[in-house]
Amino acid sequence: ETGVTQTPRHLVMGMTNKKSLKCEQHLGHNAMYWYKQSAKKPLELMFVYSLEERVENNSVPSRFSPECPNSSHLFLHLHTLQPEDSALYLCASSQVRGAQPQHFGDGTRLSIL
Amino acid sequence: EDKVVQSPLSLVVHEGDTVTLNCSYEVTNFRSLLWYKQEKKAPTFLFMLTSSGIEKKSGRLSSILDKKELFSILNITATQTGDSAIYLCAVMDFGNEKLTFGTGTRLTIIP
Repeated sequence: ETGVTQTPRHLVMGMTNKKSLKCEQHLGHNAMYWYKQSAKKPLELMFVYSLEERVENNSVPSRFSPECPNSSHLFLHLHTLQPEDSALYLCASSQVRGAQPQHFGDGTRLSIL
Repeated sequence: EDKVVQSPLSLVVHEGDTVTLNCSYEVTNFRSLLWYKQEKKAPTFLFMLTSSGIEKKSGRLSSILDKKELFSILNITATQTGDSAIYLCAVMDFGNEKLTFGTGTRLTIIP
């Protein structure tokens, strides 16, 4: 139990579907992150939120839309995804932005048909 | 652009062996280097290193940083099957406060 919970664990969707990934942290942290982990590639930072405000967007396509309604919850809304978006999506949190270590959730394994 | 290179990409050893995993980096304004262990789920934190030459140790795992030569090593002694995982190295830059990860070393321990 890492204190960061992600749902669903697995998701299969068509290219025209709309779905959302959810992340919840129970650590009282103020910063939350979305990462993408593809096979044989390093973890790529997608978005950073600090105190519910987006502070980083790493040139992520607009078909990925994050939402942070409060400091404990983070969503990643997905629409019109491409096959190359199939990957493990990891959520992480830290006490404040830039603090280490970051605590990771188990991830959502996303497959695009 | 910050860069982290890990080697080897994969390693297979027998239980009881000692392994050394390598991480070299290029970063504009070094703040810290972190090691994570990833089994089939969440990466879990192992060590954070900020100073050269000071070994961090936890049980059979240890790590050290060389800021002059820009690398770190992770040692695992008397390996066990539970050590099988991907080991991730990451560096943090003072300027952008982002973690840059390497591709990881996949370690397999054969009973």
